[in-house]
Amino acid sequence: AQKVTQAQTEISVVEKEDVTLDCVYETRDTTYYLFWYKQPPSGELVFLIRRNSFDEQNEISGRYSWNFQKSTSSFNFTITASQVVDSAVYFCALSERNRDDKIIFGKGTRLHILP
Amino acid sequence: EAQVTQNPRYLITVTGKKLTVTCSQNMNHEYMSWYRQDPGLGLRQIYYSMNVEVTDKGDVPEGYKVSRKEKRNFPLILESPSPNQTSLYFCASSHGSGYNTEAFFGQGTRLTVV
Repeated sequence: AQKVTQAQTEISVVEKEDVTLDCVYETRDTTYYLFWYKQPPSGELVFLIRRNSFDEQNEISGRYSWNFQKSTSSFNFTITASQVVDSAVYFCALSERNRDDKIIFGKGTRLHILP
Repeated sequence: EAQVTQNPRYLITVTGKKLTVTCSQNMNHEYMSWYRQDPGLGLRQIYYSMNVEVTDKGDVPEGYKVSRKEKRNFPLILESPSPNQTSLYFCASSHGSGYNTEAFFGQGTRLTVV
């Protein structure tokens, strides 16, 4: 069954600490995509990254990095040297080629960066 | 500016009074979808559309209707709203089939049904 689990409901860290948000997924498809979205306190949803199932390379974008491991069905997101502006709810999502284009989101992780 | 526009942003209505939330995108995207966001449940897909006149149910379609008569518009219709449909709603659009491209989201519609 298609499923995305973000086990961390809420995380609080002090500014400048590193923090990792976990995402574990379940799929029977061999072709799928994984996404991360950010929802800041203002409420909009902002795309962060997309990764397909055939590309296990980790990615770094500034202070953000993503670790995709098919062996553990995980797509974790790390923020290095966190800043207050990183405070948001972060969603991981999964879509499968053979699932009629439905997209499944995890329940989200609320991240508080304390000054 | 590329955007997805939802209206209204806020709506309070009474049980049973039909309402429509509009969604329009100016990016010529094929794929559009509606989500609801509830505390502790994250985002759940209500309906999606691959293109004009093609719509499909997501995971929580009960109580909702949609239509896709034009590529740019994808309204969400609540024929007889109930209090359990109080939620934050997002419309989104994507290029192509939707499953392999990033979604652009509207600003959200906060609906309260009393």
